[in-house]
Amino acid sequence: SAVISQKPSRDICQRGTSLTIQCQVDSQVTMMFWYRQQPGQSLTLIATANQGSEATYESGFVIDKFPISRPNLTFSTLTVSNMSPEDSSIYLCSAKEGSGSGPGELFFGEGSRLTVL
Amino acid sequence: AQSVAQPEDQVNVAEGNPLTVKCTYSVSGNPYLFWYVQYPNRGLQFLLKYITGDNLVKGSYGFEAEFNKSQTSFHLKKPSALVSDSALYFCAVNPPNTGFQKLVFGTGTRLLVSP
Repeated sequence: SAVISQKPSRDICQRGTSLTIQCQVDSQVTMMFWYRQQPGQSLTLIATANQGSEATYESGFVIDKFPISRPNLTFSTLTVSNMSPEDSSIYLCSAKEGSGSGPGELFFGEGSRLTVL
Repeated sequence: AQSVAQPEDQVNVAEGNPLTVKCTYSVSGNPYLFWYVQYPNRGLQFLLKYITGDNLVKGSYGFEAEFNKSQTSFHLKKPSALVSDSALYFCAVNPPNTGFQKLVFGTGTRLLVSP
């Protein structure tokens, strides 16, 4: 199974600043996903990041707030822009192993816990 | 709307006893179903999945889940719970009309196994 590393693991940020989260996978994957897990809540998909194309955002999430890069098949970044306390959350990177488009389990990083003051 | 329900916020069970964590789904078509576990300060780990075939699927750490199409359920089970099973469990569905690209998660159930 793929191993996913995220940096930073946690951070405390000031309101109005931006933070970029890095996600590194130890193997090439076609599809990568960014999820948000707010305190006491489930995971919500922010966007799907495919190499060589623009990220696809879910309803309620926009590129200006959450710009995503996917420069190659093993790496992606998520930026949380102009942060407010409501952005305090755990941000999780995940990837679907393999290159096919069929169903398959996701593998997750350990998450980046952001606290916005 | 596509949704997953985990009706119990927390399940308490004594070590050695069987456990069940409930999950029901509301998805059109035939979804793929998954269970994930999240240990404290860790990312989610895949436990098991149902794609097709036998309704009883076996996964990691002795867990199994039973797919029941008529009841649209996919309950997670284990015959004998361990204290180390204490964690947060998420049920998820992969709706077919999304091209099998997305997972919709339930709200999670915290399992607490007492010694």
